[in-house]
Order: sequence, then C-alpha cells, then structure tokens
Amino acid sequence: TQLLEQSPQFLSIQEGENLTVYCNSSSVFSSLQWYRQEPGEGPVLLVTVVTGGEVKKLKRLTFQFGDARKDSSLHITAAQPGDTGLYLCAGAGAGSYQLTFGKGTKLSVIP
Amino acid sequence: EAQVTQNPRYLITVTGKKLTVTCSQNMNHEYMSWYRQDPGLGLRQIYYSMNVEVTDKGDVPEGYKVSRKEKRNFPLILESPSPNQTSLYFCASSWLQDGTYGYTFGSGTRLTVV
Repeated sequence: TQLLEQSPQFLSIQEGENLTVYCNSSSVFSSLQWYRQEPGEGPVLLVTVVTGGEVKKLKRLTFQFGDARKDSSLHITAAQPGDTGLYLCAGAGAGSYQLTFGKGTKLSVIP
Repeated sequence: EAQVTQNPRYLITVTGKKLTVTCSQNMNHEYMSWYRQDPGLGLRQIYYSMNVEVTDKGDVPEGYKVSRKEKRNFPLILESPSPNQTSLYFCASSWLQDGTYGYTFGSGTRLTVV
C-alpha cells in the first residue's frame, strides 16, 4: 500500500509570512497533485507535477516534485488569509486513475 | 459549467433507514469515485467506477453499494446505515491532464446517522 505523509498537520501563521508544507512517501509516484479544500467544500485541484525535479508556480505558490518522485513540497510566499484551508497531496501510479491521498495540512493565515 | 453535483448537501437519518446520495457529472468523464472524509483519517475511497456497469471496491466498501447504469450518474447507497457511517462524503470524477488524472470533486454530503 502506498502511503503519503504530510507535515505539518497544522500550521497557523501571520499574514505576510512564508511557509512550506511537505508530502513524503517511500513509494515512487508517476505524478503528484496538490489540492486545496475550503471548509464545507470539496477539494480543488491546484497543480499536477509529473517529472522528477519539476517546479511549478501558481502566483505565490511554488510546487516541487522530488528528483526521485517520492516527495513533494508546497511553498507559499507572503501568505494571505485567502490561503487558509486544508492542503492535500495525492499521488498516482503510472496510467492509473487511482489516487493515494495524504491526510492534509490544515493552514490558518491570521490577518 | 463543468461540475460534479451531489445531493443532498446535508442529511440526518436514523439507523437502518435506507438512503441514497446522488452524484452527477456533466463532463463526460469515464471514471467516478466516492470518498468519505473523517477527522484524522483523511479521504478514504469507498467505491470507484471505470465506466458504465464497471464498479470496484475501494479501501472502505463495507456497508455501501454503488451502481453505474449511465455515464453521468454514480449514486451511493447505504442499505442499512449505522452511526459509524456518519461522515462527510465526496463524489469525484476524473479526467486526463498532463499524462495523469485530475479529479473534480462535488461539494460534499454531510451525513449524520443517529
């Protein structure tokens, strides 16, 4: 069974600070996705990374896929209250519809 | 608008009373899936469907049934709900993007079984 460990579980920071959350596994994934879930809503896909070492940017969010495709990180620069939510990483095997989800990092950005 | 629609959003029921949570997608996706989300346990897959009339168990299928008679609909059936099925449920459908499959989730159904 492939497992994804996310850290930290909870993070509370002040507006304007930077932060990084991590997603780690002992398994290799063909791709890794990040989702953000706001209270009372379903997760929304932010990004997919598919190549080892790949870096993708989405405004103030920077996503990186590890060289060995076993881990990923999400860095947020100058966090805003609108970034508050649950961040989930999810890994996929090659050609598979099935995703393995981490348990998430709950981020609170305090104004 | 491309979306996955679940109904109802909230449901309180009693133990043993059969219920169905509906899920419909308008994106012509082949793959659909049901998850439950519980504090400390994350998202756990209940059932999934690769196409019409093709369904398979996920990680926590006990106490649930599904059907896929047409591409757009994937209802979740609880024949005899129990309190341990109190949870937040999500339906998702999947499409191919960047060589892998991205999920679109519904807004969720919060079920309470008393």
